Amino acid sequence: EAGVVQSPRYKIIEKKQPVAFWCNPISGHNTLYWYLQNLGQGPELLIRYENEEAVDDSQLPKDRFSAERLKGVDSTLKIQPAELGDSAVYLCASSLDAHQETQYFGPGTRLLVL
Amino acid sequence: AQSVTQLDSHVSVSEGTPVLLRCNYSSSYSPSLFWYVQHPNKGLQLLLKYTSAATLVKGINGFEAEFKKSETSFHLTKPSAHMSDAAEYFCVVIPSGNTGKLIFGQGTTLQVKP
Repeated sequence: EAGVVQSPRYKIIEKKQPVAFWCNPISGHNTLYWYLQNLGQGPELLIRYENEEAVDDSQLPKDRFSAERLKGVDSTLKIQPAELGDSAVYLCASSLDAHQETQYFGPGTRLLVL
Repeated sequence: AQSVTQLDSHVSVSEGTPVLLRCNYSSSYSPSLFWYVQHPNKGLQLLLKYTSAATLVKGINGFEAEFKKSETSFHLTKPSAHMSDAAEYFCVVIPSGNTGKLIFGQGTTLQVKP
């Protein structure tokens, strides 16, 4: 069974530039999560989708961050414009549904903003 | 607010000796507790989870954890460390009634010396 796929694995951009991250969850998983992991810290939830609906985006900085999951499968997380402080690892995870507590994580996208 | 505290940011053991990674939780209700492991450049992997069944939980790779309500602890142990155990370990809580939102501790880096 293929795991959660994320791309790109690494991204270097200059501040004020836009950037996008892509996530393909495990097949059949209805719930998708985006997490932010700063260096030396645990991940923090940015947004949770149940199918195509964002059911928890309370931690997403909506002035510069956006996300979509148009067909309830793949998802894209965007930052525009990026700031120096956005340098971090962006993790995607999925679970069968919101009641399945086990989340399966992708390898993450490491972003460096110069 | 529910949270977890990992008491050691860094633990160093010799190969073949026991491992103890400490975690205390704060929760008003009966939480679900997890340990995840993160190897460099790899996704977070679930080691084990406690969901109010047996208080001693066995996980993968010889790890186990014991839920102690009186001490609000969920320490991770392994009788004999292996070089491949070197990684970052996260204690995680899902507060009761809060579907899907994992709250991560700060992480403990486990170093295994030959």
